[in-house]
Amino acid sequence: GQQLNQSPQSMFIQEGEDVSMNCTSSSIFNTWLWYKQDPGEGPVLLIALYKAGELTSNGRLTAQFGITRKDSFLNISASIPSDVGIYFCAGPNSGGSNYKLTFGKGTLLTVNP
Amino acid sequence: DTAVSQTPKYLVTQMGNDKSIKCEQNLGHDTMYWYKQDSKKFLKIMFSYNNKELIINETVPNRFSPKSPDKAHLNLHINSLELGDSAVYFCASSQDWGNNEQFFGPGTRLTVL
Repeated sequence: GQQLNQSPQSMFIQEGEDVSMNCTSSSIFNTWLWYKQDPGEGPVLLIALYKAGELTSNGRLTAQFGITRKDSFLNISASIPSDVGIYFCAGPNSGGSNYKLTFGKGTLLTVNP
Repeated sequence: DTAVSQTPKYLVTQMGNDKSIKCEQNLGHDTMYWYKQDSKKFLKIMFSYNNKELIINETVPNRFSPKSPDKAHLNLHINSLELGDSAVYFCASSQDWGNNEQFFGPGTRLTVL
């Protein structure tokens, strides 16, 4: 099945720094999703991307849908302590009746105040 | 109001027992899902229901039986619990089948002793 490779696996940064993480796929995706999971909570959708080359922002978060449709990037600017959590990329399989989301293994972000 | 809710939040039980987890969404969505998140935080789809009809059964043991009494509810019953069933189980919903934007519940942490 499709696999998503997410990197880095974890990041330790100082408050105020910018963060970048990415996700690559072995096959083409038509949609890229970025989720954040706070400790003890369920994943929350941050940004959805539907078009190759698309660049979308949500506050300090910016995500891009790669031109090749096999990758996506998430950037967080001026990080704050509440940015701590696990960030997941996700994308749907390539169609057919057995639709499902595949998730990356996550990037654990720690922000030191 | 919580959009997707699950009960219980925590479940500790002995091996061999049978237990149920309940999920309700008040978003008016047609499609609901069960995911399993293992100790390494990997999220994997288990089941998906669309309009109360089972669409995805992702090679989950027969001991797991989902039931959807109506579009707003998707419960998960687990028979003969095993140690390896210990995980966090997330319910999610989306507007309809094929809609990528899934909304997750807070999770149920199941511990099998």
